[in-house]
Amino acid sequence: DTEVTQTPKHLVMGMTNKKSLKCEQHMGHRAMYWYKQKAKKPPELMFVYSYEKLSINESVPSRFSPECPNSSLLNLHLHALQPEDSALYLCASSRPRTGANTEAFFGQGTRLTVV
Amino acid sequence: AQTVTQSQPEMSVQEAETVTLSCTYDTSESDYYLFWYKQPPSRQMILVIRQEAYKQQNATENRFSVNFQKAAKSFSLKISDSQLGDAAMYFCAYRVSGATNKLIFGTGTLLAVQP
Repeated sequence: DTEVTQTPKHLVMGMTNKKSLKCEQHMGHRAMYWYKQKAKKPPELMFVYSYEKLSINESVPSRFSPECPNSSLLNLHLHALQPEDSALYLCASSRPRTGANTEAFFGQGTRLTVV
Repeated sequence: AQTVTQSQPEMSVQEAETVTLSCTYDTSESDYYLFWYKQPPSRQMILVIRQEAYKQQNATENRFSVNFQKAAKSFSLKISDSQLGDAAMYFCAYRVSGATNKLIFGTGTLLAVQP
C-alpha cells in the first residue's frame, strides 16, 4: 500500500468557520508533511512532523494548526481563514531517515475555497 | 539556503520524440537527494525518478532518465518515446539528508505532448 489518503477532496468554508483536513498513511512512514499549492505554482512547505513531533513550521500563520495524533494520521485545523488561503493543500509522507526509498508520497490533495 | 531552479516554464514535444527538462540547484551540502515529480491535471504528485547525490551513476526508470552533474549542480530529466500521458507539470525537488526532512521544489515545467 503506497497510498496517502486525504479527506475531504473539496472544501468550501466561510471566514468564520472551523474545519479540519485529514491525511492518513499506512506505509509506516514517520515523517509527514503539509504543503500549500497555488495554481500553476510549486508546493510550498508548511509543516513537517518527524516521529509525531513538529520539526518544521515554515512561519505559517496561527490560523493553520497542525496535529499528528499518531504515526498514521496528520490533521490540519483551519480557523478564521482568509480568501487568499484558498489553495490545494497536499499531504505527504516519507521515511524520516536517509538511505534508500527516501522519496515522499503525496495524497491527491484537498481543494480549499474560502468565501 | 537551498534553492531549485527550473528555467523552462513550458515545453512541448511530439509524441514518440525525446524531450529534456532542465533543473539546477544550489546547496552547500554534500549529501542530498534529488527527485522529479509529475503532477497531471488530476493534481496528485507522482514520483518519476530519484537520484542520490553520492551515486555517480545516473538513475533510469523505463523511458525516464536523468543527467546528474554534481559539480555543475544540474539534474535534467530526459523523457524518451514521449506519450500523451506524459503531459503534466514536472517539478524538480531537492531533499536534504538528515533529520530535517525538508523537500524543496522548483517552479515547475509544464510539458505538452502533441499527437
